[in-house]
Amino acid sequence: SQWGEENLQALSIQEGEDVTMNCSYKTYTTVVHWYRQDSGRGPALIILIRSNEREKRSGRLRATLDTSSQSSSLSITAAQCEDTAVYFCATDAGLGGNEKITFGAGTKLTIKP
Amino acid sequence: EAAVTQSPRNKVTVTGGNVTLSCRQTNSHNYMYWYRQDTGHGLRLIHYSYGAGNLQIGDVPDGYKATRTTQEDFFLLLELASPSQTSLYFCASSDPGTGNNQAPLFGEGTRLSVL
Repeated sequence: SQWGEENLQALSIQEGEDVTMNCSYKTYTTVVHWYRQDSGRGPALIILIRSNEREKRSGRLRATLDTSSQSSSLSITAAQCEDTAVYFCATDAGLGGNEKITFGAGTKLTIKP
Repeated sequence: EAAVTQSPRNKVTVTGGNVTLSCRQTNSHNYMYWYRQDTGHGLRLIHYSYGAGNLQIGDVPDGYKATRTTQEDFFLLLELASPSQTSLYFCASSDPGTGNNQAPLFGEGTRLSVL
């Protein structure tokens, strides 16, 4: 779980395995964003799941959202070496249209060949 | 193509120096953000804005000022830089509403070193 953590977490798996990263958030949100950041680059959105959705899929990615427990997960099926990156979840307050977007500490995922 | 452009990409200054980081977005987005990212940590929100002339305080605002001069341009100012402000700074823009425009689109970052 990356929210509320001060430090980056690390996961290392073999190519072809499945992996799930978790995110617990503390405040109300209308949406959870999942980003990946490649070394030396800015973060890039990979999947977005709204509070009225329980699951969202995009290719080998699957995001879930449980608003009652204030948690989200990102799963990657059959991980490939190019999935190596840092993954972040982010939430937005969405209160009265004030879009304050804050990020968790992130998970550094390494896929070994 | 949607873009967020930051300048400079790298900056070195001395303690007590005056630094301005620039960000321009060509996405017609209302919201713009400044984050800092430190080794091993996530992105921490410094300031953000929902339009020209507007400024909202983020989670780590101390030592930083910001100004949104137009819808396109958002500046981060460090008037008395300190070594603790050595970091990688990201600017982002977004447009709340439906669709992926709600999620911030990031620039490539500015690496700042304060000696």
